[in-house]
Amino acid sequence: GDSVTQMEGPVTLSEEAFLTINCTYTATGYPSLFWYVQYPGEGLQLLLKATKADDKGSNKGFEATYRKETTSFHLEKGSVQVSDSAVYFCALNQAGTALIFGKGTTLSVSS
Amino acid sequence: DAGVIQSPRHEVTEMGQEVTLRCKPISGHNSLFWYRQTMMRGLELLIYFNNNVPIDDSGMPEDRFSAKMPNASFSTLKIQPSEPRDSAVYFCASSPRRVGGKYEQYFGPGTRLTVT
Repeated sequence: GDSVTQMEGPVTLSEEAFLTINCTYTATGYPSLFWYVQYPGEGLQLLLKATKADDKGSNKGFEATYRKETTSFHLEKGSVQVSDSAVYFCALNQAGTALIFGKGTTLSVSS
Repeated sequence: DAGVIQSPRHEVTEMGQEVTLRCKPISGHNSLFWYRQTMMRGLELLIYFNNNVPIDDSGMPEDRFSAKMPNASFSTLKIQPSEPRDSAVYFCASSPRRVGGKYEQYFGPGTRLTVT
């Protein structure tokens, strides 16, 4: 079945460092891909999405490109802030189905 | 716009008691999802509904769990009887339904359940 694999955390960075969180997927067909973020004590929020190959999703300085050839959707940010500390989830879905989530990657940014 | 609303935000109960969690999806959304999040198991899909009809309940852990969606604006997740291993954060999410679309989900703030 379909699945999502994320790099294991925690990821610990200093402020203004470059961030990459790897995400790869296994799926039949052409799923949509998502990154969600969960701040402490809160629910998941949609961060960005891409619906077809080579699409780039972006929001709040974060970017991810849908790479069908490598079945990847890596999350990147050029300069992280302390406020970016959170858990990040990669997810996919096919038409008419529920989202399939990765296990989440905890990011901790220190000043 | 109001997002997904869940109540209560926190629930502490004793083993054996019945627990009912409530969710109001975003108006106009046709799909509703219930998830459970724990440190050990991460985020698990319990059940989801399309147009108030349960589509996949394979994630419901056992018969003690039940979910209903009597109308488009309300859903409940019930645990009876509750057990300490049910302690978790329970999230409700909703999404719009677009024909042939692959849609994102919008999450509520969650209900933190503690069963002692």
